[in-house]
Amino acid sequence: NAGVMQNPRHLVRRRGQEARLRCSPMKGHSHVYWYRQLPEEGLKFMVYLQKENIIDESGMPKERFSAEFPKEGPSILRIQQVVRGDSAAYFCASSPYNTEAFFGQGTRLTVV
Amino acid sequence: EDQVTQSPEALRLQEGESSSLNCSYTVSGLRGLFWYRQDPGKGPEFLFTLYSAGEEKEKERLKATLTKKESFLHITAPKPEDSATYLCAVQADNAGNMLTFGGGTRLMVKP
Repeated sequence: NAGVMQNPRHLVRRRGQEARLRCSPMKGHSHVYWYRQLPEEGLKFMVYLQKENIIDESGMPKERFSAEFPKEGPSILRIQQVVRGDSAAYFCASSPYNTEAFFGQGTRLTVV
Repeated sequence: EDQVTQSPEALRLQEGESSSLNCSYTVSGLRGLFWYRQDPGKGPEFLFTLYSAGEEKEKERLKATLTKKESFLHITAPKPEDSATYLCAVQADNAGNMLTFGGGTRLMVKP
């Protein structure tokens, strides 16, 4: 059973470009979470999704950030018009329900 | 607001020198407390879930305990491969499935 798969592992974007981060949950897991880890800071919750539904987006910035988890395919975290402050490690996690979440290896976004 | 504070921020041990990491939390109603291990450049790796005060769980050289205000991660006779950042997180009754993380303890075990 493969773990949570994230890609790309590393992503470099120029200021103003769009970043798309993808996450495939573990098999059998229908709950997906996105967390952000800024340099020298802890993990911060961004958004919680189930298939075709956003359950909780209280941690996600209101502008430029969006997330989806379609019926088919991976969950996508999209950041439009990236700025330097968006540089961080973005982690996806999945769980079968409200139990422990298993994390992927992360996508390290660098905005230049 | 839910809060998690971990101490110390960094801990250096000699191989074989046992110690404990602390996680203090403030939460309206605790659904679960989670311990993760994170190696540099990697994602957090799940270690334990604790649900109620008095509960203990063990895995190899690690033992996690829980009280109403804090959790401890005890490391017995650590080895260099135990070097990592250990993260504590809480899940509150009224916060859906969201985890609130502490800042972590960076453990370095020297041979």
